[in-house]
Amino acid sequence: LAKTTQPISMDSYEGQEVNITCSHNNIATNDYITWYQQFPSQGPRFIIQGYKTKVTNEVASLFIPADRKSSTLSLPRVSLSDTAVYYCLVGAILRSGGFKTIFGAGTRLFVKA
Amino acid sequence: DTAVSQTPKYLVTQMGNDKSIKCEQNLGHDTMYWYKQDSKKFLKIMFSYNNKELIINETVPNRFSPKSPDKAHLNLHINSLELGDSAVYFCASSPGDPDQPQHFGDGTRLSIL
Repeated sequence: LAKTTQPISMDSYEGQEVNITCSHNNIATNDYITWYQQFPSQGPRFIIQGYKTKVTNEVASLFIPADRKSSTLSLPRVSLSDTAVYYCLVGAILRSGGFKTIFGAGTRLFVKA
Repeated sequence: DTAVSQTPKYLVTQMGNDKSIKCEQNLGHDTMYWYKQDSKKFLKIMFSYNNKELIINETVPNRFSPKSPDKAHLNLHINSLELGDSAVYFCASSPGDPDQPQHFGDGTRLSIL
């Protein structure tokens, strides 16, 4: 299973765009890339998922290059409430039919006023 | 309506005791998971059940025993609790396909005295 590497922490200011990059050099053909957000005392919350190229939803964009060995989560115009830990996740289908995921160490994003 | 609910939210007990954490999901998902998040915030998968069948069992001590009475429930029983078991335990569920995200509960903070 692919191991992920992402920056430990990042600082930003309100209104800025934040890009968090995750490396997953050993990603397999069947693996999807998923990003989660976690606030203190809460469980991780799904943000966005992609397989290749670019995915956009109402809260973020996910950029995946052709080789899929990395991905970048882009948060447009962050606010103070975006201060959280962001996890990059690579998942694979098991032969048993189950789905096993490997969480990275997470990136602590701190948004300042 | 809470999608994935865990009880209790906090659990403080002494070393050597046996305790259980309950998890229920009302999303109709086929797959449920238990994760452990340690003090360094690493999220590690412990178990996964698909339609009440164990499909993932990571290197977890035998003192940990998951039980799935039905597809909507996955409980975690821990025997002979040790200091190193102190952590936050998260339950999650998903449809089981790699392109479908997991939904997490808000965690159970287990503290061993």
